[in-house]
Amino acid sequence: KQEVTQIPAALSVPEGENLVLNCSFTDSAIYNLQWFRQDPGKGLTSLLLIQSSQREQTSGRLNASLDKSSGRSTLYIAASQPGDSATYLCAVTGYGGSQGNLIFGKGTKLSVKP
Amino acid sequence: EAGVVQSPRYKIIEKKQPVAFWCNPISGHNTLYWYRQNLGQGPELLIRYENEEAVDDSQLPKDRFSAERLKGVDSTLKIQPAELGDSAVYLCASWGQTGELFFGEGSRLTVL
Repeated sequence: KQEVTQIPAALSVPEGENLVLNCSFTDSAIYNLQWFRQDPGKGLTSLLLIQSSQREQTSGRLNASLDKSSGRSTLYIAASQPGDSATYLCAVTGYGGSQGNLIFGKGTKLSVKP
Repeated sequence: EAGVVQSPRYKIIEKKQPVAFWCNPISGHNTLYWYRQNLGQGPELLIRYENEEAVDDSQLPKDRFSAERLKGVDSTLKIQPAELGDSAVYLCASWGQTGELFFGEGSRLTVL
């Protein structure tokens, strides 16, 4: 059974710092991996989608990497801003009948202090 | 383009009462999901639809939960009767061909 773990559970940094959020998964047979952002009381917003054949994806100040063989992904946020404060969730999709069924980690709650 | 729309946003009910949540996915998205998110946890899948067919409902507590997607577009998730442990946010999502999942804002249920 696929399990997704995110470390740390919470992170507080001063504005302007670069930071890395970690995600690990137990079964390397994934179809893709997604990083989401969730603001308090809101739904999830997709940030980056990495297909299993890809190593990384970039969007603005965000860069996500994927190492399937080691079961790890990282989300790098450059020059953090207070507006980046939110919970960041990692999710993986398996193959076959479970394709499209995302398995989520518990998230990392990020706080960026002005 | 409109996103995934859910209603109601908030619902407070007494235990043993019924409750229903509605979701309208993004136009053209054939795959629809219902997830449940408990406080401090990631979302957990309840049911996945491909058009009007429920292709994965293995984690739906069928004794009290039911769902339908009659015309392959919008969907309803029902709980009857509700229990205290059902308090959570119920999220609907639809899947685009790029592989991205798009979520609604969720329906927050409080059972007293």
